[in-house]
Amino acid sequence: EAQVTQNPRYLITVTGKKLTVTCSQNMNHEYMSWYRQDPGLGLRQIYYSMNVEVTDKGDVPEGYKVSRKEKRNFPLILESPSPNQTSLYFCASSKTPGTAYEQYFGPGTRLTVT
Amino acid sequence: RKEVEQDPGPFNVPEGATVAFNCTYSNSASQSFFWYRQDCRKEPKLLMSVYSSGNEDGRFTAQLNRASQYISLLIRDSKLSDSATYLCVVPLGGSYIPTFGRGTSLIVHP
Repeated sequence: EAQVTQNPRYLITVTGKKLTVTCSQNMNHEYMSWYRQDPGLGLRQIYYSMNVEVTDKGDVPEGYKVSRKEKRNFPLILESPSPNQTSLYFCASSKTPGTAYEQYFGPGTRLTVT
Repeated sequence: RKEVEQDPGPFNVPEGATVAFNCTYSNSASQSFFWYRQDCRKEPKLLMSVYSSGNEDGRFTAQLNRASQYISLLIRDSKLSDSATYLCVVPLGGSYIPTFGRGTSLIVHP
């Protein structure tokens, strides 16, 4: 089954404790991205990757890191989480950068930072 | 002016009704647009694309009004299962950063 998976689905952590949210897709997609969704603000892109070893900032990259060492995986790293990073996070992928607007989303990770 | 705007709603309609949402955008160079559907606490899912000729898929029709810079989504014969938030996506300036509208909430009641 074609899908985007994220882990964990729910996470409660404390300020400053490094964490990683994993994302994996099995569709051989070139383009992958991370979003956060907050009430009243909608979906905002954090980082995106057009292919292996090619990543770039989205609209709200501060406080986040990403890497793309393999085509299928695109982990999101929070080196020192803060309460304002409490949010619902989605990973997404699409076939190519040219189809970046036609994306498959993962099920989401609900992060709470206390 | 915000780049992509949607009326948040909610739009409350009875089953069987026809309902339409608009999404206005500020970048007139956009060639294609997209509608996504998001159920409560779930991931967005691509509903349909919108090009200059519009698009129709069953009960759903999406159209582009380039002169007035908006796209619309029309749902005919609404079903209870159509209750969701509908997000428009506008490519801005040729970038690879999709800009999502904040969504319009639809509630279809019996």
